[in-house]
Amino acid sequence: SQQGEEDPQALSIQEGENATMNCSYKTSINNLQWYRQNSGRGLVHLILIRSNEREKHSGRLRVTLDTSKKSSSLLITASRAADTASYFCATVLNRDDKIIFGKGTRLHILP
Amino acid sequence: EAGVTQFPSHSVIEKGQTVTLRCDPISGHDNLYWYRRVMGKEIKFLLHFVKESKQDESGMPNNRFLAERTGGTYSTLKVQPAELEDSGVYFCASSLRGNSPLHFGNGTRLTVT
Repeated sequence: SQQGEEDPQALSIQEGENATMNCSYKTSINNLQWYRQNSGRGLVHLILIRSNEREKHSGRLRVTLDTSKKSSSLLITASRAADTASYFCATVLNRDDKIIFGKGTRLHILP
Repeated sequence: EAGVTQFPSHSVIEKGQTVTLRCDPISGHDNLYWYRRVMGKEIKFLLHFVKESKQDESGMPNNRFLAERTGGTYSTLKVQPAELEDSGVYFCASSLRGNSPLHFGNGTRLTVT
């Protein structure tokens, strides 16, 4: 069954605005990872947050994790056209290192 | 370092035929994963190798799918016989440790007609 569920499924914003995507999951995790996929390409790892961390930053990316609510958010600040892509959260399960992805959020940055 | 490579990039076959997909992970990565994405749906886990052993194959849809990783290097995923619902993009990924970030190949787009 699906572990990660991203929300919204699609998001269109103006260049320069901030984009926020959310991810909910069901079971206990070791860590949670965010990936980006450009059309026709493989996924690229963006950021990893461990289960004992609450917030992490990398450049224009900010990830939060709330293990009590089993949810995470990815914030992209000052969006650029090049940020147009699909974004996926992936949960790494505690018990067996299984890495489970959701359906993703399609982000479109408008010029 | 060379990334994860997958071959072929595209494959179009008829229902009932056999197709073999290949994945070359990053050298030294013991963990190798196969995933599949059907249009608009989630990236579904198929299986996970640690070296040449199948750590978890719970996501394999049925016995028409066979994955191997002889010698713990490259891996193959064979579909025999292919059905229409097998169409999708098959991704391979590798990692150094079991819970560390994955490095993905560009995928093989399989179309079964």
